[in-house]
Amino acid sequence: EAQVTQNPRYLITVTGKKLTVTCSQNMNHEYMSWYRQDPGLGLRQIYYSMNVEVTDKGDVPEGYKVSRKEKRNFPLILESPSPNQTSLYFCASSSHASGSTDTQYFGPGTRLTVL
Amino acid sequence: GEDVEQSLFLSVREGDSSVINCTYTDSSSTYLYWYKQEPGAGLQLLTYIFSNMDMKQDQRLTVLLNKKDKHLSLRIADTQTGDSAIYFCAERGGKLIFGQGTELSVKP
Repeated sequence: EAQVTQNPRYLITVTGKKLTVTCSQNMNHEYMSWYRQDPGLGLRQIYYSMNVEVTDKGDVPEGYKVSRKEKRNFPLILESPSPNQTSLYFCASSSHASGSTDTQYFGPGTRLTVL
Repeated sequence: GEDVEQSLFLSVREGDSSVINCTYTDSSSTYLYWYKQEPGAGLQLLTYIFSNMDMKQDQRLTVLLNKKDKHLSLRIADTQTGDSAIYFCAERGGKLIFGQGTELSVKP
């Protein structure tokens, strides 16, 4: 089954404690991205990756890091989380960055609370 | 920068039609999309329309595009309780930009 998986699904942590949210896709997609969803703001892109070892900032990259060492994985790293990073995070992948019907497949989301 | 705007809430009765509206600012948009997010789940692509089209129909879904006014709408005919979800409009010019999402509530 084609899917994007994220772990953990729920996480409560404290300010400053480094954390990683994993994302994995089994569709051999080149393009992967991370979004955060906040009430009234919709989805905002944090980082994206066009292919292995190619990453770039999205609209709200501050406080986040990513890596793309393998095609299937695209972890999101928060080196020193702060309460304003409390949000719902989605990983997505597609076969190309642009293109009409290249469906972006979304993971189920990770709800992060930073105390 | 580019922006996509939607109203936040819509409430309809079961069996009625729902119309969710969206406006965008990017005049170079090539494709426009509607995504559905059910509670506790990620986004699923519902339908899309190319910018040189005015209308697209897919079963109960009708997408209307007014490119001059940069206005996109999604009409759901015979709305069911299972249609209750958050609906996101998104446009692709250079990159994919999402609206805030419209929460559709369907009352029996």
